[in-house]
Amino acid sequence: EAGVVQSPRYKIIEKKQPVAFWCNPISGHNTLYWYRQNLGQGPELLIRYENEEAVDDSQLPKDRFSAERLKGVDSTLKIQPAELGDSAVYLCASSLGETQYFGPGTRLLVL
Amino acid sequence: DAKTTQPPSMDCAEGRAANLPCNHSTISGNEYVYWYRQIHSQGPQYIIHGLKNNETNEMASLIITEDRKSSTLILPHATLRDTAVYYCIASLGGAQKLVFGQGTRLTINP
Repeated sequence: EAGVVQSPRYKIIEKKQPVAFWCNPISGHNTLYWYRQNLGQGPELLIRYENEEAVDDSQLPKDRFSAERLKGVDSTLKIQPAELGDSAVYLCASSLGETQYFGPGTRLLVL
Repeated sequence: DAKTTQPPSMDCAEGRAANLPCNHSTISGNEYVYWYRQIHSQGPQYIIHGLKNNETNEMASLIITEDRKSSTLILPHATLRDTAVYYCIASLGGAQKLVFGQGTRLTINP
């Protein structure tokens, strides 16, 4: 069974540029999560989807971050414009029941 | 979500049992104890979870004290590939978010 797929794996951009991350969850998993992990810290939830609906986006900085999950499968997380402090690893996870399965993450560096 | 406390780092010899402690003194009766680990440059990996009873799977054993205020993750025969950051998380389970702390950096030495 394929795991959670994320792309790109690495991204380097200049500040004020836009960037987008893509996630394909495990087939059949209706819950999808985006986490951000700063260096030396544990991951922190940005947004959680139940199918197409964002049910918890309280930690998503809505002035520059946006996310969508069209058709309740793949998801995209966007930052526009990026700031230096957005440098981090962005992790996508999916679940069907009690366990969350994480992708490898996208490592973003903003210069 | 209850706060968990873990030692920042531990060492263990290859082939020995690695015992990772976690304190969760404010855990509520319906919160599970989850363990995940994160190997360098990878996403977190689920290991095991439990509510009251001790649990065992192919990766590890989870021992939860009777008062549920602490738990221990046991890797019975640690290998070099078990070197990772281990996170203990108290969560209501299901689709609820996971609140990660700083975890324990476990180093397995040859």
